Amino acid sequence: GDSVTQMEGPVTLSEEAFLTINCTYTATGYPSLFWYVQYPGEGLQLLLKATKADDKGSNKGFEATYRKETTSFHLEKGSVQVSDSAVYFCALSDRTGANSKLTFGKGITLSVRP
Amino acid sequence: DTGVSQDPRHKITKRGQNVTFRCDPISEHNRLYWYRQTLGQGPEFLTYFQNEAQLEKSRLLSDRFSAERPKGSFSTLEIQRTEQGDSAMYLCASSYGEDGGYTFGSGTRLTVV
Repeated sequence: GDSVTQMEGPVTLSEEAFLTINCTYTATGYPSLFWYVQYPGEGLQLLLKATKADDKGSNKGFEATYRKETTSFHLEKGSVQVSDSAVYFCALSDRTGANSKLTFGKGITLSVRP
Repeated sequence: DTGVSQDPRHKITKRGQNVTFRCDPISEHNRLYWYRQTLGQGPEFLTYFQNEAQLEKSRLLSDRFSAERPKGSFSTLEIQRTEQGDSAMYLCASSYGEDGGYTFGSGTRLTVV
C-alpha cells in the first residue's frame, strides 16, 4: 500500500537558519504530494502541493519539488522564523482511486529559537 | 465561509459509553472525510462521503464506529461502547473535487477513561 516516511524529529533551529525536512514516499500509482502544517492549538492547514513530477510547490517561503526518480518531496525554507514553529506533515493522495484520501507521514515538530 | 467546524472540541467519556461527534463542512464542498490522529502519528483515514453516500471505509473503522451524512451536509461519527484505545483526535475535512487539497477542522479530542 501507499506510505510516507518522514525524517525523525524533533528539529530545533535558530531563527534565520536553513530548514530541510526530508520526505520520501511509496505509491502504486502516480500520486499528488502535499505538505500540511499544524500550528499549536490549530487544525491542519495545507502548506503547499505538487501534482506532477518536477513541479515545485511554494508558499510562505517554503518550497518542495516533486522528485519522481527519488520518490521524494523534501520541504525547504531558506530562513526560518519563530512563527514557523509547528508540526509538519508530508502526505500523498493516490489519484487512481476515486476518493483522493490522504496518506500521511508521522509528522515532525519544528521549534525555532529567537 | 467559516471553514470546517467540529463539535465538541473535547470529550471525556467513561469506557463503555457511546459518543457522537459532529462535523459541519464548507457548504459548497461535496466531499467529506474523517481521520483519526493519535499522539506522535499522522492522521489515518477512516471514511469518506461524496454528498450523502459513504463510499469507502477503512479497516480501522470497526463495527463499533458508524458515520452518517444525511442530506449531504453535516456528518456525524458515532463510537459505541468506547474503549481506551479509541482515545485520539478525530479530524474532519472537506473538499470539492479530487485534488486532495482539503480543509481540515480543528478536531475533536476524545479521552476514554
